[in-house]
Amino acid sequence: QTVVTQEPSFSVSPGGTVTLTCGLSSGSVSTSYYPNWYQQTPGQAPRTLIYNTNTRSSGVPDRFSGSILGNKAALTITGAQADDDCDYYCVLYMGSGISLFGGGTKLTVL
Amino acid sequence: EVQLVESGGGLVQPGGSLRLSCAASGFTVSNNYMTWVRQAPGKGLEWVSIIYSGGRTYYADSVKGRFTISRDNSKNTVYLQMNSLRAEDTAVYYCARAYCGGDCYSKQPPYYFHYWGQGTLVTVSS
Repeated sequence: QTVVTQEPSFSVSPGGTVTLTCGLSSGSVSTSYYPNWYQQTPGQAPRTLIYNTNTRSSGVPDRFSGSILGNKAALTITGAQADDDCDYYCVLYMGSGISLFGGGTKLTVL
Repeated sequence: EVQLVESGGGLVQPGGSLRLSCAASGFTVSNNYMTWVRQAPGKGLEWVSIIYSGGRTYYADSVKGRFTISRDNSKNTVYLQMNSLRAEDTAVYYCARAYCGGDCYSKQPPYYFHYWGQGTLVTVSS
């Protein structure tokens, strides 16, 4: 069974840069998986950040960027701010209508 | 303004059934991809199901054969019929409008979740 992998937790200093990754338990992530990224604060519905690897959703600041790094999808946050302190999820499209979420990364800004 | 309002959640015994509703406004559900995503308490997000604008439906392995997604165009509402419920189905269920996120001419286009409802809590417990 395919699993989408993410770092369980990560920390970054205010103003710093962090790259979160999204991989597969077997195989490499490519643009053919159309990776998406979502941000979620506790008790709230998720917010769309990035879709189709590197396209920012409307209203998302350019501090957030998506890419493929090696064999994984990546979300890079530059100039980290206090309100970036929350959970981040990647989603990969597996084909045949099926999407898979990663387990999420809890980002701490301190 | 786009709005999605879920309802129908509640407490149900194992083996029981529940039907969730997602009332949409500001757009037409029949022309869009509509999905359900769930989140167990303290856990991550899990994709559950999609109904494409053309009517094709797909499900996560964890719910296949037990859950059914449908829509009522006259009510502009999407449903998730959940049968044979298990304790592990306990979660907040979000309705989300999805957009094509890649090759929109493929038979089952890739998509991303763009608009989300606030969710409805389903608790399966005796």
